[in-house]
Amino acid sequence: GENVEQHPSTLSVQEGDSAVIKCTYSDSASNYFPWYKQELGKRPQLIIDIRSNVGEKKDQRIAVTLNKTAKHFSLHITETQPEDSAVYFCAASTPTGTASKLTFGTGTRLQVTL
Amino acid sequence: NAGVTQTPKFQVLKTGQSMTLQCAQDMNHNSMYWYRQDPGMGLRLIYYSASEGTTDKGEVPNGYNVSRLNKREFSLRLESAAPSQTSVYFCASGGRALGGNIQYFGAGTRLSVL
Repeated sequence: GENVEQHPSTLSVQEGDSAVIKCTYSDSASNYFPWYKQELGKRPQLIIDIRSNVGEKKDQRIAVTLNKTAKHFSLHITETQPEDSAVYFCAASTPTGTASKLTFGTGTRLQVTL
Repeated sequence: NAGVTQTPKFQVLKTGQSMTLQCAQDMNHNSMYWYRQDPGMGLRLIYYSASEGTTDKGEVPNGYNVSRLNKREFSLRLESAAPSQTSVYFCASGGRALGGNIQYFGAGTRLSVL
């Protein structure tokens, strides 16, 4: 089955700096890669996603890049703010008949310090 | 429009007790999912349902059963709870977008098994 590895497990940046989180996946059939943000005690919420035929996608201060050949994708957050502090999860979606299964990375705890 | 609703929010069980976690969605999604989240291990898929009347095992199905009661509802049952099942459980429903399957999460059930 699919295996998703995520690094780093913790990341501390100063407010205004950029943060980068990297993930690799193993199954070449995976075709959709969402990123979720989870604040303490809350549910995971989708912040950005990318499909396998796109190399990069940007939404304001966040961007995601995908390298299908190398099977890795990354989340970039620019001009970080204290409210960006949370745990971020990458995931890879593998088609399974009429449904798709998400395999998650183990998460990155991002702390933005003043 | 409530999205994905889970009950209960918190539960404490003794070893060997049984319980059912309830999940309902009002987004008319075909796919529904149950995950467990443990510290440092991300979200792991327990069971999923591609459509009403179908269920399939995920990564960690042992000790659990599920029922897709109708299109809206997907329940998770622990027949004989064990301390290893202490976790936060999330239900999600999936809607097609971008060629993938965006999953929307419920608020979670925090379960402790003593």
